[in-house]
Amino acid sequence: DGGITQSPKYLFRKEGQNVTLSCEQNLNHDAMYWYRQDPGQGLRLIYYSQIVNDFQKGDIAEGYSVSREKKESFPLTVTSAQKNPTAFYLCASQREGREQYFGPGTRLTVT
Amino acid sequence: AQSVTQPDIHITVSEGASLELRCNYSYGATPYLFWYVQSPGQGLQLLLKYFSGDTLVQGIKGFEAEFKRSQSSFNLRKPSVHWSDAAEYFCAVGANSNTGKLIFGQGTTLQVKP
Repeated sequence: DGGITQSPKYLFRKEGQNVTLSCEQNLNHDAMYWYRQDPGQGLRLIYYSQIVNDFQKGDIAEGYSVSREKKESFPLTVTSAQKNPTAFYLCASQREGREQYFGPGTRLTVT
Repeated sequence: AQSVTQPDIHITVSEGASLELRCNYSYGATPYLFWYVQSPGQGLQLLLKYFSGDTLVQGIKGFEAEFKRSQSSFNLRKPSVHWSDAAEYFCAVGANSNTGKLIFGQGTTLQVKP
């Protein structure tokens, strides 16, 4: 069964700690994306990667970092520099510049 | 700059009634257009897509959308809404075919009255 998995579903952290969100896909897609979703603000692009070992900043990259060492995996680290990290995070992969397929999301709460 | 506007933040319809969700875009070239649906706490599911050709596209769950170039619109329709259609709906446009990035509208929340 092909798809995108994100883990964990819920994540709780104390302020000042870095946290890494997992995203794995077995769709054999080259491109992967990370979005942040806040109530009433739609989806905002954090980082994206079109190929292994390469990635670009999106619209709100400050306070986040990513890596793309394998085609299947695109983990996102929320660093302590991110001012308002509490949000719903969505990972997506894309087939040849066309539709994006989304994972189930991770809800991060930082207190 | 490319943009997507969904004018209606919240829409309420009665079960069995017809539905139309509006989407307007600003994009210089022929766009790729998408509609996604999101249930609370879930990821986004692709409803339908338009790349080229027939401007009326059929999607899953009985939804359809029509691309109107002259109006820069891609409105989503369903003839008879079911209670399970209550969700948030996002319109998206392919911003740049080289990067594959999508620009999303702010979303429309659909409430279905029994």
